[in-house]
Amino acid sequence: EVQLVESGGGLVKPGGSLRLSCSASGFTFSDYNMNWVRQAPGKGLEWVSAITTRSSYMYYADSVKGRFTISRDNANNSLFLQMNSLRAEDTAVYYCVREGVTKWGRGSLVTVS
Amino acid sequence: DIQMTQSPSTLSASVGDRVTITCRAGQSISSWLAWYQQKPGEAPKVLIYRASNLETGVPSRFSGSGSGTEFTLTISSLQPDDFATYYCQQYSSYFWTFGQGTKVEIK
Repeated sequence: EVQLVESGGGLVKPGGSLRLSCSASGFTFSDYNMNWVRQAPGKGLEWVSAITTRSSYMYYADSVKGRFTISRDNANNSLFLQMNSLRAEDTAVYYCVREGVTKWGRGSLVTVS
Repeated sequence: DIQMTQSPSTLSASVGDRVTITCRAGQSISSWLAWYQQKPGEAPKVLIYRASNLETGVPSRFSGSGSGTEFTLTISSLQPDDFATYYCQQYSSYFWTFGQGTKVEIK
């Protein structure tokens, strides 16, 4: 069974930093591009970032470009999102999402206040 | 970025009703479209992928159609468990985009 488990969320002050992690299991992690998608409280879904299988390419939404960095560790089946210069508008549940017929984690709440 | 326009934003319906949600892409996305169902406090659940393919385990009352720029999600006979918010998503490029969501409410 595919499982994606996010961790690292919490409360941080504006301007602060946070690093999210996603632990993957139940599939060959290195075969899939991976993504982060977020959802602000009471709002819709917003794609944040993507990384290709061998970390050759990373892509970012304009809203986070220059502040967030996506990375992965294929040896340990892990995905990361380093979030710097956090703003109130970054407050959201952050989901780790596998490409293909997508698989989603349960999400990790980040609150910037 | 490819804009996805979903309608309606809210839909009031009764159990047993046939329900249709529409999603329009700002440019052709071929069939690279998925539909999701989301309930409060839960992650989105994929219902349909590649515009018309039913995900394993999803009831057959859900169906998807369309290609290019116009897509439709249909629930043939609405059930109590179907009251939720639905999103379309394009994945024709690495830069995914989602529709604004359609909340299906009890009439």
